[in-house]
Amino acid sequence: DAGVTQSPTHLIKTRGQQVTLRCSPKSGHDTVSWYQQALGQGPQFIFQYYEEEERQRGNFPDRFSGHQFPNYSSELNVNALLLGDSALYLCASSAGTGKNNYGYTFGSGTRLTVV
Amino acid sequence: DAKTTQPNSMESNEEEPVHLPCNHSTISGTDYIHWYRQLPSQGPEYVIHGLTSNVNNRMASLAIAEDRKSSTLILHRATLRDAAVYYCILKVNTGGFKTIFGAGTRLFVKA
Repeated sequence: DAGVTQSPTHLIKTRGQQVTLRCSPKSGHDTVSWYQQALGQGPQFIFQYYEEEERQRGNFPDRFSGHQFPNYSSELNVNALLLGDSALYLCASSAGTGKNNYGYTFGSGTRLTVV
Repeated sequence: DAKTTQPNSMESNEEEPVHLPCNHSTISGTDYIHWYRQLPSQGPEYVIHGLTSNVNNRMASLAIAEDRKSSTLILHRATLRDAAVYYCILKVNTGGFKTIFGAGTRLFVKA
């Protein structure tokens, strides 16, 4: 049973460009959360998607947007990239936000470097 | 956002028990306490969670204080593979659960 799959694993972009990161949740999971993890720090919550809608959002600017598809997969889009956006981007899936308190399953992340 | 406080780092000897503390004095009645760990170059991994009662699973035990303002993750016999960053998190229900990470405790295990 595949866990959470993220693509690509590594990415290098130039300042000002736009990037799209992808996530396939674990089988049976319908909720996807995205996190940004800078080097040496804990993951910072970006937003959460459930039933194709953004349900929760952390303290991130509108340059960060997302989408969830009918098959529960999700994309994270970042516009107008800044050097400070360089980080590991983690996707986590779970079952039914608000309906239970199960733990999250995380992917291994996408390492984004902005130059 | 609900906050937790953990020591920056701890050290343990292999095959000895490890007690990782966490303070969460602002916890509210419906907040769950979750623990995750993150090994190098990997995403966080769920370890255990609880609300009021102590919990055990194959990975660890969670001891929750009676007033719920603190908790302790217990690894019964540390191995080298347990060296990781351990995060204590409050899962807050704000119309949908949101999981907020702090800085965590880096656990070093000596052979």
